[in-house]
Amino acid sequence: NAGVTQTPKFRILKIGQSMTLQCTQDMNHNYMYWYRQDPGMGLKLIYYSVGAGITDKGEVPNGYNVSRSTTEDFPLRLELAAPSQTSVYFCASSLTVNTEAFFGQGTRLTVV
Amino acid sequence: GQQLNQSPQSMFIQEGEDVSMNCTSSSIFNTWLWYKQDPGEGPVLLIALYKAGELTSNGRLTAQFGITRKDSFLNISASIPSDVGIYFCAGPSSTGANSKLTFGKGITLSVRP
Repeated sequence: NAGVTQTPKFRILKIGQSMTLQCTQDMNHNYMYWYRQDPGMGLKLIYYSVGAGITDKGEVPNGYNVSRSTTEDFPLRLELAAPSQTSVYFCASSLTVNTEAFFGQGTRLTVV
Repeated sequence: GQQLNQSPQSMFIQEGEDVSMNCTSSSIFNTWLWYKQDPGEGPVLLIALYKAGELTSNGRLTAQFGITRKDSFLNISASIPSDVGIYFCAGPSSTGANSKLTFGKGITLSVRP
């Protein structure tokens, strides 16, 4: 019963460094999402995907990139980390847009 | 784009009290989802609503899909300390070729023993 797995759980980056946040799901879900959560700001959608090979921008895509080469994996790439990207990042997946989305445990990222 | 509005940002209640929260939108939603996020965890689905006027319960939680399709309500009865957390409403919104899951800003609930 793995569900949605995110790695790493915590990371500290220096300004200008790059990294990839990994997300994988084993439920054969079509939809996958990346959200960021800042204190008191709710969940803001960064990118999402409706199936392998298809990605689309969400509300706050600048500074990030994604790919969806397989149904299971949806990595999020930060190319030039900035302090404004300090946040908690959540990956989620769902079978359709109307059905339950399952979330990973989150990645707490600090950019210094 | 379609936005979901939740207010107030925080609510404080006494253990044993009932609490009601609502979620509104200027656009019509065909599905309303209520999630709860415990500290340090990802959100978890509480209740899903798919039909206007629908009233659904899950233990001490009851949620309703508004008749206008522009609002939804979540009620928690006889609150207990473990009800503490952030409550989000969510629904599918379309601003392009594909629909995506959009969340409200959430309401942080505190329960005083």
